[in-house]
Amino acid sequence: IAGITQAPTSQILAAGRRMTLRCTQDMRHNAMYWYRQDLGLGLRLIHYSNTAGTTGKGEVPDGYSVSRANTDDFPLTLASAVPSQTSVYFCASSATSDWTDTQYFGPGTRLTVL
Amino acid sequence: GQNIDQPTEMTATEGAIVQINCTYQTSGFNGLFWYQQHAGEAPTFLSYNVLDGLEEKGRFSSFLSRSKGYSYLLLKELQMKDSASYLCAVVDSNYQLIWGAGTKLIIKP
Repeated sequence: IAGITQAPTSQILAAGRRMTLRCTQDMRHNAMYWYRQDLGLGLRLIHYSNTAGTTGKGEVPDGYSVSRANTDDFPLTLASAVPSQTSVYFCASSATSDWTDTQYFGPGTRLTVL
Repeated sequence: GQNIDQPTEMTATEGAIVQINCTYQTSGFNGLFWYQQHAGEAPTFLSYNVLDGLEEKGRFSSFLSRSKGYSYLLLKELQMKDSASYLCAVVDSNYQLIWGAGTKLIIKP
């Protein structure tokens, strides 16, 4: 089934550790996004990529980095995790980089930083 | 600043109709999305409005008034499976997507 996969599903991480959240899509979408979702807040954009080889910063990029080596993969790295990064992380993609284009979301990664 | 307001939680009865409102104050407007998100799952697309008026899609309809900065999602013939959060998101003048915190809809039998 075409779509977006994320790994891991959930993770408990000690503060200070490095962690990479994986995201893969098989829809050949050009644009990909990383969001975090916290209780009581709307989805907040961390980083995005309009096409392979390019990335951009979203609303809350500090402490996170991304890369887009190819069309399908868009990993998110926490270089040194802190408790405030405890959240549910969603990867999304859209066919084009037009922000009026529908975004399709992965199942999410629930991350707890202790 | 940019702001999107939705009620935090609503309760409705199976078989009834419910209207979920969304008001926005953003720097410009280039469209409004509604997404559905079941607990523990990913958001899924419901509708996109860019022009004023009502768009109907089965049991779900979405309305937009750009002059009032207002939209609503209308759900008819409610089913238990409609229990979910409903997210409103606006594309602003910089073509950034601004998300509301979502409305949790509880359906009672």
